[in-house]
Amino acid sequence: AQKITQTQPGMFVQEKEAVTLDCTYDTSDQSYGLFWYKQPSSGEMIFLIYQGSYDEQNATEGRYSLNFQKARKSANLVISASQLGDSAMYFCAMRAWGGSQGNLIFGKGTKLSVKP
Amino acid sequence: IAGITQAPTSQILAAGRRMTLRCTQDMRHNAMYWYRQDLGLGLRLIHYSNTAGTTGKGEVPDGYSVSRANTDDFPLTLASAVPSQTSVYFCASSPASSPYNEQFFGPGTRLTVL
Repeated sequence: AQKITQTQPGMFVQEKEAVTLDCTYDTSDQSYGLFWYKQPSSGEMIFLIYQGSYDEQNATEGRYSLNFQKARKSANLVISASQLGDSAMYFCAMRAWGGSQGNLIFGKGTKLSVKP
Repeated sequence: IAGITQAPTSQILAAGRRMTLRCTQDMRHNAMYWYRQDLGLGLRLIHYSNTAGTTGKGEVPDGYSVSRANTDDFPLTLASAVPSQTSVYFCASSPASSPYNEQFFGPGTRLTVL
């Protein structure tokens, strides 16, 4: 079975500090993609960053980076220099060919609060 | 560029009524999806379509139906709404069903069934 686990229901971080949001995944597929989405209080789902299972380097997009440890099946999101606008729900997700036929499977999310 | 539009933005519906949530994308993406988001449960896939003319069932398909007559539109129908279908519904699209393509989401429809 394919599964995404986010063990931190809520986190606080001080403005301008870095924060790591944890994500572990389970799949027997060799080919898969890992994604992070941000959902602010306004409700929209915003794509942040992607990592392919065959990518050897960790993905980076501006202040976002994905710490990909394939052997541990983890795909943690690192946000550097947190800003007040980073306060939101963050979802880790996976796509694999296997049972989900390429559909996204989501974790339950982590609520990040940035303190001024 | 509009991306993905959903209508209505929100709706209050009496139980037993039929309702169609509309979704249109202008990115010419092949794959489209419907998710529901419930507090504490995250997003769960209802139905998907990998290409026009084909559809498939996701994790929670019961009580919902979809059609994909063309590339751009992917309506979701609740034949006879029940209170447990109260949720926020997101439509999404992707260039293909490949694991290496991200999905883009619409703004969502907040549905309340009384």
